[in-house]
Amino acid sequence: SQTIHQWPATLVQPVGSPLSLECTVEGTSNPNLYWYRQAAGRGLQLLFYSVGIGQISSEVPQNLSASRPQDRQFILSSKKLLLSDSGFYLCAWSKYTRGANTEAFFGQGTRLTVV
Amino acid sequence: GEDVEQSLFLSVREGDSSVINCTYTDSSSTYLYWYKQEPGAGLQLLTYIFSNMDMKQDQRLTVLLNKKDKHLSLRIADTQTGDSAIYFCAESKGTGKLIFGQGTTLQVKP
Repeated sequence: SQTIHQWPATLVQPVGSPLSLECTVEGTSNPNLYWYRQAAGRGLQLLFYSVGIGQISSEVPQNLSASRPQDRQFILSSKKLLLSDSGFYLCAWSKYTRGANTEAFFGQGTRLTVV
Repeated sequence: GEDVEQSLFLSVREGDSSVINCTYTDSSSTYLYWYKQEPGAGLQLLTYIFSNMDMKQDQRLTVLLNKKDKHLSLRIADTQTGDSAIYFCAESKGTGKLIFGQGTTLQVKP
C-alpha cells in the first residue's frame, strides 16, 4: 500500500531563518507531487507541482522554492522566512493516468509559525 | 481562471441534512472531488464523481453535478457531530493537477 510521510509536524522558526520541509512517498513510482499551503481561515493554495524528478512548476510567486531530488521525495525550502510564510503546509501525491480518476492523498501537514 | 468557489460556513443541527455547494470554472475537468479535513490534520477523500455523471450516492453522502452550470454539491444526510470539519471541493485538470476551493466549515450543533 502507498503511504506519504511529511515532517516535521510542527515548526517554530524566527524571521530570516531558512526552512526545509520534507515529504516522501512509499509504495508507488513516478507520482505527481504537490505542496499546498493553508493560511489561517483560508483555503488550500497550490504552491508547487511536480510530474517528475527535477520538474517543478511554481503556481504562485513567493519566498519559497521546491525541489525533487528523487522520484518519491519532495522538499519545500526557503532561504529567509517571512512572517507571512506562517501556515499549514500539506504535501500530497497522485497518480495521473489520462482519463482516469486522479485523487490526491495527503500527508498530515506541517504547522509552521514564523516569529 | 482556475477558480473553485465555495461558501465559507454552514451550520446545521444534528440529524438534519447538510448541503455544501461548489462552483468551478473549467468545463474540461474530468473528475470532481470532495475532501474532508478535521482540525490539525491532512485532507481525506470523501467521494468523487466523473464528469459524465449527474449523481453519485455513497451511504449518507450524495453528490450532485450540474455540468451545464458547473455546479457541484455534497449532501450529508442525518448529519452527526462527527461530521463537523472543513469540506473542500476540487477539480482535476487535464494534467492531473488538482485545484481546491477555499473550504466550507461545517458546524453541527447538538
